Amino acid sequence: AQSVTQLGSHVSVSEGALVLLRCNYSSSVPPYLFWYVQYPNQGLQLLLKYTTGATLVKGINGFEAEFKKSETSFHLTKPSAHMSDAAEYFCAFNTGGFKTIFGAGTRLFVKA
Amino acid sequence: GAVVSQHPSRVICKSGTSVKIECRSLDFQATTMFWYRQFPKKSLMLMATSNEGSKATYEQGVEKDKFLINHASLTLSTLTVTSAHPEDSSFYICSAKPRDRGQETQYFGPGTRLLVL
Repeated sequence: AQSVTQLGSHVSVSEGALVLLRCNYSSSVPPYLFWYVQYPNQGLQLLLKYTTGATLVKGINGFEAEFKKSETSFHLTKPSAHMSDAAEYFCAFNTGGFKTIFGAGTRLFVKA
Repeated sequence: GAVVSQHPSRVICKSGTSVKIECRSLDFQATTMFWYRQFPKKSLMLMATSNEGSKATYEQGVEKDKFLINHASLTLSTLTVTSAHPEDSSFYICSAKPRDRGQETQYFGPGTRLLVL
């Protein structure tokens, strides 16, 4: 069955610290992978996506993610957290069809 | 570019009434639009996929007579929650796939918060 798992429903980091949000997927075909961010009472904003090619993908706001096929992972990182990064983050994947499957989300807290 | 709007952003209604939510792609044509429901502190649940000019495809467990979806044009899809009950209270988000992009591309609206009293 196709699924995506985000490890940790909550992650807390200090301002300036490394952000690491984990995502693993299960798919029988090569997936397209996404990270979205959601601020309170708002829709989703695409941070970055992997389709083909380079496995290290850079996105907006200093975020990047690396597709590791052998580990079926697509973890999201940012070298230095800002207060404005506090939000809900969703990992998602699509196998080329219409349906995108979302993970349960990880809420990122940034401490001053 | 690639802006999707939803109207209204918030709506409060009485139990038993129907509520219509609009989803518009403002600067592109959307051959496919998606409707999601998000429960508090939960992920997005796909409710249905609608293609312009055809009937929506509903996910398992979603009542098509309860959640009426119309995709009458390439820039507008509507979700009508019929005979709303308190358990229908939720955050509803739409997304749209541009006609000239791959199936994996979708842009999200800002969401509509529905509260049924």
